[in-house]
Amino acid sequence: DAGVTQSPTHLIKTRGQQVTLRCSPKSGHDTVSWYQQALGQGPQFIFQYYEEEERQRGNFPDRFSGHQFPNYSSELNVNALLLGDSALYLCASSSLTSGASTDTQYFGPGTRLTVL
Amino acid sequence: AQSVTQLDSQVPVFEEAPVELRCNYSSSVSVYLFWYVQYPNQGLQLLLKYLSGSTLVKGINGFEAEFNKSQTSFHLRKPSVHISDTAEYFCAVSDFDTDKLIFGTGTRLQVFP
Repeated sequence: DAGVTQSPTHLIKTRGQQVTLRCSPKSGHDTVSWYQQALGQGPQFIFQYYEEEERQRGNFPDRFSGHQFPNYSSELNVNALLLGDSALYLCASSSLTSGASTDTQYFGPGTRLTVL
Repeated sequence: AQSVTQLDSQVPVFEEAPVELRCNYSSSVSVYLFWYVQYPNQGLQLLLKYLSGSTLVKGINGFEAEFNKSQTSFHLRKPSVHISDTAEYFCAVSDFDTDKLIFGTGTRLQVFP
């Protein structure tokens, strides 16, 4: 049973560019959450998708947007990249239909984004 | 709003010694509590979680944690650590209405032979 997968593993972009990160949830999961982990910090919640809708959002600007597809996979898009967007981006999946907030979130290995 | 404080940024310990990683949280509502571990260049793996019931929670790899509501703490313990326990450990909370995780800044556990 495949866990949460993310692509690409690493990415280098320059300021002002746009980037798309991808996530496939664990089998049987319908909810995807995205987190940003800056170097030496804990992960920070960006947003969560369920039933192809953004269900909740953290304190991130509109440059950060996402999408969820009918197969539950998800994309994170970041426009107008800043140096401060350099971080590890983690995707986590869970199942809202199985019991809401008590369900465990399973994390993928992350995408390391470097903005030059 | 909730917040999590991990009091120690680094904890050095010798192999086979006991260890405690401290976590305090702040919340105006009841919360769920979690400990995750992150090995180098990897994602997060759940060690254990407290949802309700017994305040002593046992997790994987011999770790356990105790929920103390009066002290708003959820400290992680292991009676005897191994070299392979060297990693970054994160404490997190979520409230009953959302499953958004709020993480602490992490504690680096370094186990020496």
